[in-house]
Order: sequence, then C-alpha cells, then structure tokens
Amino acid sequence: AQTVTQSQPEMSVQEAETVTLSCTYDTSESDYYLFWYKQPPSRQMILVIRQEAYKQQNATENRFSVNFQKAAKSFSLKISDSQLGDAAMYFCAYRSVTGGNTDKLIFGTGTRLQVFP
Amino acid sequence: EAEVAQSPRYKITEKSQAVAFWCDPISGHATLYWYRQILGQGPELLVQFQDESVVDDSQLPKDRFSAERLKGVDSTLKIQPAELGDSAMYLCASSRTANNSPLHFGNGTRLTVT
Repeated sequence: AQTVTQSQPEMSVQEAETVTLSCTYDTSESDYYLFWYKQPPSRQMILVIRQEAYKQQNATENRFSVNFQKAAKSFSLKISDSQLGDAAMYFCAYRSVTGGNTDKLIFGTGTRLQVFP
Repeated sequence: EAEVAQSPRYKITEKSQAVAFWCDPISGHATLYWYRQILGQGPELLVQFQDESVVDDSQLPKDRFSAERLKGVDSTLKIQPAELGDSAMYLCASSRTANNSPLHFGNGTRLTVT
C-alpha cells in the first residue's frame, strides 16, 4: 500500500522569504500523481500544484515549485516570496494511475505553515 | 466559480444519536468522494462514487456509516449511532471523472460528538 509522510508538523517563515516543505512517499508503482494541497483555517482545501511522475521536469505555479526526486521518493514544495496569505496547513498527497475508477488521494499528516510579518 | 456545497457547516450531537451530512458536487462532476479528517491528521477516504455507484468503500465502517448518491448528483453520508471517536471534519470532494481530473473540495462539516 502507498504511504505519504510529512515529517515537519510545523514550519515558519518570514514574509518575503523562501520556505521548503518536505514530503516523502512509498509506492511500488512506476506511474502516479503527486499533489500539494493548501487548507487555510476554516476554509476549503485547494490544489496548489501537481506533478506527474513520468515527467522529469519539476512543476511550477507562480511562487510555488516542487523538487521531485523519483528515485528518492521525495516531493518537496518550495514557496518563494512568502505572503501572509500563505499561512495554512499544507498536505502532500499521492494518487495512483492504474486505470479504472478507484483513484483515491492518499494524504500525509500535514505541515502547518506560519508566516510572520 | 462553481463550488462543492456541504451542509451543515457544524454539527454537535450526542453519542448514540443519528447524524447526516449532505453534499452537492459541482454540476457535471461524475465522481464524488467523502473523506474524514481527524484533527491533526490528513483526510482519509471513506467512500467514492462514480455516478450513483460505489467504487470504493473499503474504509467505511459499514456497521454504523452509510452513504448514498441515488440520482448520481448529490450525496448523503449518515452515521448511526454516532460514537465519540467520530468527531472529525467530513469533507466532500468531486471531480469530472476519475483518474486524471482534479478534485474540488467543499468546506466540510465539522462534527462534534459529546
């Protein structure tokens, strides 16, 4: 079974600085998707960035980028020029690409990011 | 932008009582998911629907939980009887299809069992 591990329960960063959130996963599959989701306090979970395992190029979305190391099964999120609105819980998630209708997201335990002015 | 609607936003119930949550996915989304998120943990899938059919309910405690999506649109998740350990956030999500489509989450229902 696949597992996702986030070893940093909490992180903090100063506004305008850069922070990296860590995620490792375990799978025997060769193709899959990886995601970072953001969950602000009392608000809905939203997708930050997505990576297809077959793509070597790291995904980037504006100030958010990932460092995908397939051999090491590592998928870290880098937030550049941090803003106060980035404060939230961040979840790393894994999704199989095995066909059929079963494609659940498997989440890590989350990292709470605090942003200080 | 269309959103996944969930109600109620908060629910407090006594143990052994019945409780129900409702979810209305984004129009046109065939796949609907119910996740449970215990405080301090990541969400875990309870049940996944493709249209009106259940495709994964392996983690649903079937002795007390039930879920339905009768017309393949909105869905209800029920707990009877509720236990103290059921206190959690219940998240609904939908996607256009399975596999490659992104999931869109609702705001969730926070359940407290006393």
